[in-house]
Amino acid sequence: EVQLVESGGGLIQPGGSLRLSCAASEFTVNNYYMNWVRQAPGKGLEWVSVIYSGGSTYYADSVKGRFTISRDISKNTVYLQMNSLRADDTAVYYCARAVYSGSFHFTYWGQGTLVTVSS
Amino acid sequence: SYVLTQPPSVSVAPGKTATISCGGSNIGTKSVHWYHQKPGQAPVLVMFYNTDRPSGIPERFSGSNSGNTATLTINRVEAGDEADYYCQVWDSSSDFHVVFGGGTKLTVL
Repeated sequence: EVQLVESGGGLIQPGGSLRLSCAASEFTVNNYYMNWVRQAPGKGLEWVSVIYSGGSTYYADSVKGRFTISRDISKNTVYLQMNSLRADDTAVYYCARAVYSGSFHFTYWGQGTLVTVSS
Repeated sequence: SYVLTQPPSVSVAPGKTATISCGGSNIGTKSVHWYHQKPGQAPVLVMFYNTDRPSGIPERFSGSNSGNTATLTINRVEAGDEADYYCQVWDSSSDFHVVFGGGTKLTVL
């Protein structure tokens, strides 16, 4: 069964850094479009970043220049390095596997990891 | 950037039909995907490419997309359908941009 397990969330002060991990099971991360999607408390879903199977990366404007997505094939894990964190980055961060056939949609999601940015 | 507009809430009695709309400029030219999310849980795909149901999603769920509005329809609504529903498109007009609607809270009366 496909599984995505996020970790690395926690309480961090504004301006700090945090690295989230997404460990995948039953498939290889470099064969799929792997994403991070976040949800602020009581709010809707916001796409954050994607890494293509070919290695290309894209970011939402709200995190561009501060967040970096990457993967480690040997560990079958996707990462999200988050720098210069702000209060409005507070959210549950989900790892999600996407499929593309003329459009992207998300077929598998992890359970999420909570990031709280506060002093 | 592309914007998707959903009603904040929809209420329906058990056994009736719920319709959840998702508005966007010429959305009929895009593929729309839908997710539901129950409290404390991750989103779950319930409809993709406008009208396709993933395995495990009941036939009571259907979708349509035309003009400026996409719609998710749930027939014979059950208490277990109560959740937040989000529409989503991929905006290929600039770089890479996945867009979600603001979400609709479906309440089963």
